[in-house]
Amino acid sequence: QKEVEQDPGPLSVPEGAIVSLNCTYSNSAFQYFMWYRQYSRKGPELLMYTYSSGNKEDGRFTAQVDKSSKYISLFIRDSQPSDSATYLCAMSQGAQKLVFGQGTRLTINP
Amino acid sequence: DARVTQTPRHKVTEMGQEVTMRCQPILGHNTVFWYRQTMMQGLELLAYFRNRAPLDDSGMPKDRFSAEMPDATLATLKIQPSEPRDSAVYFCASGPGQGGTTEAFFGQGTRLTVV
Repeated sequence: QKEVEQDPGPLSVPEGAIVSLNCTYSNSAFQYFMWYRQYSRKGPELLMYTYSSGNKEDGRFTAQVDKSSKYISLFIRDSQPSDSATYLCAMSQGAQKLVFGQGTRLTINP
Repeated sequence: DARVTQTPRHKVTEMGQEVTMRCQPILGHNTVFWYRQTMMQGLELLAYFRNRAPLDDSGMPKDRFSAEMPDATLATLKIQPSEPRDSAVYFCASGPGQGGTTEAFFGQGTRLTVV
């Protein structure tokens, strides 16, 4: 079993829809949680960064962490075609290596 | 414009040849990561350094891969000899490593094809 599990999709939704992306993990020592966006043939780009449990909002993006359930989510409101990309969750224990999920391929249809 | 710079962007080589990939981390970042990305395995950590010292290279095949940081502005990943199964995109990332965090900022990657 992988430390971080993420449904690879693909996920296809119409423009304007709310998108929900999720990851589960097994290591209860993870404290830092990140979401990266990766466009085709580009490097991953840091999108959201949270520490411990709770919510964090940035524009149309909201990241949620539920440490009791070992579950993290990324919500995208008013989705746009430009949001079409692969979204990767990542987490770490602190000053340690980042462990990534497999990535979910998302397509927003105009 | 602070970014991680990787060279070359693309590399095609024959099996058995040596491959060297280079990375310039963001100025002031003290943590450098090397990742490999394939469709099947996703992003796999090969090695990472803090303050130029290797902290973890357990993800790297030791018999053919080596990673070094000759100085704070240069990290290298070398494969010798290369094999077709090494074909992948290799990413370098750097992070500030402050406050115990490990947020990482990625370069554009080196797309390696071994034939």
